[in-house]
Amino acid sequence: EVQLVESGGGLVMPGGSLRLSCAASGFTFSSYAMNWVRQAPGKGLEWVSSISSSSTYIYYADSVKGRFTISRDNAQNSLYLQMNSLRAEDTAVYYCARDASSLAGSTPDYWGQGTLVSVSS
Amino acid sequence: DIQMTQSPSSLSASVGDRVTITCQASQDISNYLNWYQQKPGKAPKLLIYDASNLETGVPSRFSGSGSGTDFTLTISSLQPEDIATYYCQQYDNLPPLTFGGGTKVEIK
Repeated sequence: EVQLVESGGGLVMPGGSLRLSCAASGFTFSSYAMNWVRQAPGKGLEWVSSISSSSTYIYYADSVKGRFTISRDNAQNSLYLQMNSLRAEDTAVYYCARDASSLAGSTPDYWGQGTLVSVSS
Repeated sequence: DIQMTQSPSSLSASVGDRVTITCQASQDISNYLNWYQQKPGKAPKLLIYDASNLETGVPSRFSGSGSGTDFTLTISSLQPEDIATYYCQQYDNLPPLTFGGGTKVEIK
């Protein structure tokens, strides 16, 4: 059974940093691209970033480019999102999602339950 | 960037009704279109991939059609457990991978 468990969310002040983690199990992690998708309270889904299976291809939404860094550790079956210079508009539930392909960003087919990031003073 | 426009933004229908949700892309995306269901407080769930392929385990009352710029998600007979928000998503041109604004389905 595919399982994705996010952690690392919480309350942070504007300008602060946070590192999200996603622990994967139930599939060969190193064979799949991974994604981060977020959802602000009461809003729709917004893609944040994608990384290919071997980290060769990495993409970011314009709204987070230069502030967020996606990475993965295939030996540890883990996905990460380093978030710096956080803003109030980054407040959202952040979902880790497996991609159906090894290349970055096509079909997020399995999703974790999400971790809430709140940016407020 | 490719924009995805869903309509309606919400709908109310009776159990057993046929429900249709549309999604329009701002440019041709071939069949690079997925549909998701999100129930309140839960993570999204993939329903349809590549415009018309039913994900394993998804009830056959769900179907998808379309190509190019115009796509449709149909629920042939609405059930109480189908109450959710539905999103389309394109992946023809990355970045960005984009979602539609969502359609909230309620029971009348």
